[in-house]
Amino acid sequence: GDSVTQMEGPVTLSEEAFLTINCTYTATGYPSLFWYVQYPGEGLQLLLKATKADDKGSNKGFEATYRKETTSFHLEKGSVQVSDSAVYFCALTLNSGNTPLVFGKGTRLSVIA
Amino acid sequence: SAVISQKPSRDICQRGTSLTIQCQVDSQVTMMFWYRQQPGQSLTLIATANQGSEATYESGFVIDKFPISRPNLTFSTLTVSNMSPEDSSIYLCSAQASYGYTFGSGTRLTVV
Repeated sequence: GDSVTQMEGPVTLSEEAFLTINCTYTATGYPSLFWYVQYPGEGLQLLLKATKADDKGSNKGFEATYRKETTSFHLEKGSVQVSDSAVYFCALTLNSGNTPLVFGKGTRLSVIA
Repeated sequence: SAVISQKPSRDICQRGTSLTIQCQVDSQVTMMFWYRQQPGQSLTLIATANQGSEATYESGFVIDKFPISRPNLTFSTLTVSNMSPEDSSIYLCSAQASYGYTFGSGTRLTVV
């Protein structure tokens, strides 16, 4: 079945460091890809998305590019802040809206000053 | 885009009792989805709820334990029945939004 594999956490970085969280997927078709973020004690918020190959999603300094050839959607940020500390989930769906999201296990990021 | 109001936000329940969680969407949506998030874990899909038909449950989840109602295109409930401490989790509902999927703020359930 369809699945998402994320790098294991937790990840601890110093402020202003470069962030990469790896995400690869397995899907029977051409999925839409998402990154969601969950701040401590809060619900899930959409961070960014991409719906077709070579699309780049971006938001709040975060970026991810849909790479069909490597079935990847790695999350990057050039300079993290303490406020970026959260759990990040990579997810996919094959039929946006009518089928549920399939989530990766999540990666906890802690940014220290 | 759709916004979901979910309640209760948290509850502490006695084992053997049931809790019903409600999700109200501010626009009509075809599908709603219910997830469970155990402590420190990812989201696991419980079921998909389509208005006017019985919910579709994922492997490991059954209707007797997690009955779902979907009376109209803006509302759904999930009941956690005959609770045990193993049911202690965060439960979230989700629906399609214009930009992707939106989520309720979650119900943190503790069973004692």
